[in-house]
Amino acid sequence: EEQLVESGGGLVQPGGSLRLSCATSGFTFSNAWMNWLRQAPGKGLEWVGRIKSKVDGGTTDYAAPVKGRFTIFRDDSKNTVYLQMNSLKSEDTGVYFCVTGGYYLDYWGQGTPLIVSS
Amino acid sequence: EIVLTQSPGTLSLSPGERATLSCRASQIITNSNLAWYQQKPGQAPRLLVYGPSSRATGIPDRFSGSGSGTDFTLTISRLEPEDFAVYYCQQYTGSPPWTFGQGTKVEI
Repeated sequence: EEQLVESGGGLVQPGGSLRLSCATSGFTFSNAWMNWLRQAPGKGLEWVGRIKSKVDGGTTDYAAPVKGRFTIFRDDSKNTVYLQMNSLKSEDTGVYFCVTGGYYLDYWGQGTPLIVSS
Repeated sequence: EIVLTQSPGTLSLSPGERATLSCRASQIITNSNLAWYQQKPGQAPRLLVYGPSSRATGIPDRFSGSGSGTDFTLTISRLEPEDFAVYYCQQYTGSPPWTFGQGTKVEI
């Protein structure tokens, strides 16, 4: 059974940094394309970014609001994907989900909350 | 960026009734690269259908997707109590960014 467990969320001041982790099991992580999505309180879903598998180039894509501030990287030896977030803004507040899939989004973690506030 | 508009915003129905949810795109979605997700309060979304009529693993056949071009529909043939939730459409045509509709809430 596919499992994705996010961690690392919390309260951060504007301008600060934070790294989220997503530990996975139950599937061949090294072949998986991985995404981060987020959901602001009471709002809809927003795609944040994606990293391809290393065999497919390992490249990343980002949504415009986070490009240049957020970085997705992966450690296939640990079956884990990360989201490094810098220069955080209040509008980055929300629940962050780790999700498998290159196009449609197959399996979702339960999410980890991030609050950006002073 | 492709904008997806879902309608209605809220659908008030009873168990056993049929639900029809609409998702309209601001430009043609090639290869019908559209998916639907269900989200219940406090839970992560769950993939229902993609492509746009292929059901994900374990999804009951009362859920069906259809459409092409710019107009897509999710139909729930007979609502079960556990189907009352928020539903989102998502396009994955071409290259990212992937975008979502604003959601349709199906309530009792």
